[in-house]
Amino acid sequence: DQQVKQNSPSLSVQEGRISILNCDYTNSMFDYFLWYKKYPAEGPTFLISISSIKDKNEDGRFTVFLNKSAKHLSLHIVPSQPGDSAVYFCAASVGTGGGNKLTFGTGTQLKVEL
Amino acid sequence: DAMVIQNPRYQVTQFGKPVTLSCSQTLNHNVMYWYQQKSSQAPKLLFHYYDKDFNNEADTPDNFQSRRPNTSFCFLDIRSPGLGDAAMYLCATSRDRPAGGLDTQYFGPGTRLTVL
Repeated sequence: DQQVKQNSPSLSVQEGRISILNCDYTNSMFDYFLWYKKYPAEGPTFLISISSIKDKNEDGRFTVFLNKSAKHLSLHIVPSQPGDSAVYFCAASVGTGGGNKLTFGTGTQLKVEL
Repeated sequence: DAMVIQNPRYQVTQFGKPVTLSCSQTLNHNVMYWYQQKSSQAPKLLFHYYDKDFNNEADTPDNFQSRRPNTSFCFLDIRSPGLGDAAMYLCATSRDRPAGGLDTQYFGPGTRLTVL
């Protein structure tokens, strides 16, 4: 039973345009949502997060939107750059005994073309 | 640079032959996690340590065990690898979760395990 879903395995966008990556979840107990970026042969790198009590968080070119009623979040990258080409994982967090348990989606491969 | 290191990056083992994967960190984080990621699937949490306290996920097979001899090192032991255990194994670390808050997990590059 997949609690975090990324339904688009890939996305292709032109340089300078907006990239929108989507994520759906089912568990109302998640208290934070995160986006990780992964380049080949490297581990996932934290990008941006949002608390479940917020609806928007912005960091430079990256903005995450959360729609709790729809159990949906999205990551907007504006403007997209070729260096943004990577796999993007959506993750949801539940606190546990000192740490955070992350449930990941399957990832979306973003390709930013010149 | 503070980081999470995983050795080896690629590991080949035979069906049924025990294998150990290693993770070390220079971040001095007290929480360490192991994830399994099979091809085209989401990374899946196997277990984590909060200091020396071991926390196993309910659906992690008994075949998978872990040791954390000190703050810096954590090992993943697969007692009898099957073909279905071939995957990327990711180690991550974080600090204590602040009350009602979030602490970022930092990931190593992973170890890709092949079972022949």
